[in-house]
Amino acid sequence: GDSVTQMEGPVTLSEEAFLTINCTYTATGYPSLFWYVQYPGEGLQLLLKATKADDKGSNKGFEATYRKETTSFHLEKGSVQVSDSAVYFCALISDTGRRALTFGSGTRLQVQP
Amino acid sequence: KAGVTQTPRYLIKTRGQQVTLSCSPISGHRSVSWYQQTPGQGLQFLFEYFSETQRNKGNFPGRFSGRQFSNSRSEMNVSTLELGDSALYLCASSPTQVEYGGEKLFFGSGTQLSVL
Repeated sequence: GDSVTQMEGPVTLSEEAFLTINCTYTATGYPSLFWYVQYPGEGLQLLLKATKADDKGSNKGFEATYRKETTSFHLEKGSVQVSDSAVYFCALISDTGRRALTFGSGTRLQVQP
Repeated sequence: KAGVTQTPRYLIKTRGQQVTLSCSPISGHRSVSWYQQTPGQGLQFLFEYFSETQRNKGNFPGRFSGRQFSNSRSEMNVSTLELGDSALYLCASSPTQVEYGGEKLFFGSGTQLSVL
């Protein structure tokens, strides 16, 4: 079945540091890929998405590129802020089989001033 | 525009009891999905309702059930509660079925269920 693997957290960075959160996936067909973010006490919000190979999703300074050859969708940001502290979830929805969002386990990011 | 509203915010139950959680989607959204979030298992899909019909179902036992009303509001029921059912239950609404636009999901803040 479909699955998403994320790097374990927490990831602790200083403000203005470079961020990478790794995400790899297993899926049949050609899935669409997403990053969601969950701030403390809130539900998940869509951060960015990519629907086909080599697409780059971007939002609020975050970027991720759909790499079919490495089945990866790593999240990056050039300069993190304290306000970026949250849990980040990588997710996919396959174009075959049970078409529901499959999430990774989440990676907690803590940004220190 | 009001977001997805889940009630109650917190719930404490004992083993063997049953519980009903409520979700009011964003106005105009016809799809409601439910997810279970736990530290060990992460986010797991429970089911999706669209136009009062269950359209998709995850791998959970029959103790977990749901329904959707004509105004798109949804309820989720868990019978014969077990300790392992302790989790944050998240509801998400979408204007279309998830398979036609997964990125259009809007999540509520969840109901934290504790089973003692």
